[in-house]
Amino acid sequence: DTAVSQTPKYLVTQMGNDKSIKCEQNLGHDTMYWYKQDSKKFLKIMFSYNNKELIINETVPNRFSPKSPDKAHLNLHINSLELGDSAVYFCASSPGRDLLFLQYFGPGTRLTVT
Amino acid sequence: GQNIDQPTEMTATEGAIVQINCTYQTSGFNGLFWYQQHAGEAPTFLSYNVLDGLEEKGRFSSFLSRSKGYSYLLLKELQMKDSASYLCAPTDSNYQLIWGAGTKLIIKP
Repeated sequence: DTAVSQTPKYLVTQMGNDKSIKCEQNLGHDTMYWYKQDSKKFLKIMFSYNNKELIINETVPNRFSPKSPDKAHLNLHINSLELGDSAVYFCASSPGRDLLFLQYFGPGTRLTVT
Repeated sequence: GQNIDQPTEMTATEGAIVQINCTYQTSGFNGLFWYQQHAGEAPTFLSYNVLDGLEEKGRFSSFLSRSKGYSYLLLKELQMKDSASYLCAPTDSNYQLIWGAGTKLIIKP
């Protein structure tokens, strides 16, 4: 049973294209996150939703737009892709937004922009 | 500002013990996580410290000194499968995890 799943696992696309990454969790968690891990391996939080409400919106280009149709899904849409968007994107979920709730990560989506 | 400092890479021998240090500066503090990340995979939880002292969990232990802004992860009886990156992640006053770049641990036979 996959707890946090992401699709696709790999995504290769050209500059200027628009793409989406999907994330689903079957843990019944209330909070979901999107992280970007760049080539230097820094994990940077991008967005967090709690019960479909946006609670964290870090400084990311507005080409990135998260969408949460329900609390089990958090999708990431990226417009006008740029070379610098190449990274691994991780989705994560936790039972709540409180610190004591552990985050569970999805397998990651490796995005390559050419 | 917020800052985390870990060694970039460490090498150890199978069966040995290794200590991975982490120093941090955060705006507020609400505990510190250690995660393990194998190459090409997602981070997985190892430990969480909120009070000073040592937390032991099998072959892995984690230590925290809040006054010094310092933590370490101790791995005993190293196995080849322990080759991975180890991420130190303190939390700030908003309960957000602040991630370091991690320490790549290479285990040699």
